[in-house]
Amino acid sequence: QKEVEQNSGPLSVPEGAIASLNCTYSDRGSQSFFWYRQYSGKSPELIMFIYSNGDKEDGRFTAQLNKASQYVSLLIRDSQPSDSATYLCAVNPGGSQGNLIFGKGTKLSVKP
Amino acid sequence: EAQVTQNPRYLITVTGKKLTVTCSQNMNHEYMSWYRQDPGLGLRQIYYSMNVEVTDKGDVPEGYKVSRKEKRNFPLILESPSPNQTSLYFCASGWTSLGEQYFGPGTRLTVT
Repeated sequence: QKEVEQNSGPLSVPEGAIASLNCTYSDRGSQSFFWYRQYSGKSPELIMFIYSNGDKEDGRFTAQLNKASQYVSLLIRDSQPSDSATYLCAVNPGGSQGNLIFGKGTKLSVKP
Repeated sequence: EAQVTQNPRYLITVTGKKLTVTCSQNMNHEYMSWYRQDPGLGLRQIYYSMNVEVTDKGDVPEGYKVSRKEKRNFPLILESPSPNQTSLYFCASGWTSLGEQYFGPGTRLTVT
């Protein structure tokens, strides 16, 4: 059974701090990795995707991928109260399969 | 506006009464998928479609049917709904199965 694991939280950080969200996955052959943000009662919204080892930056967000450790993370710099949401890590095992496997999400709370 | 639409957004029905949830995308995406989201279980894939007339089972396909007769539409059919299908359902689309997916607004289904 292919799995994606996330700490459910809640993760609480003060406004302006760096929030660090982590995700591990079980399938070593996984090819693509995604971070989604989901506000309560809303649909998941894509924030970042990463395919290669290393860091990828987009504004206040940085995704980090380490395939050897089967680990992907999301850093949010200068956290704002509007960043308070549940963050979902998703992994595509690749190959002939078309399914995307989601973690259960980490709830982030940014305190003013 | 590029979007994924779902209808209905809310539905209350009774056990055994066939229903269809429609999904449509206007981005010419090849890939479409259905998920259900339940508290404590996260997002789980029901069915996906790599292209027109090509569909395959996800992780929780029991009790559901899909069809992909046109690229833009991917309806989810519950032939005989049961209370354990009460859930929040999301349709998503993307260019390929390996790439990012964009979610519809969700359909909250209650089966009594």
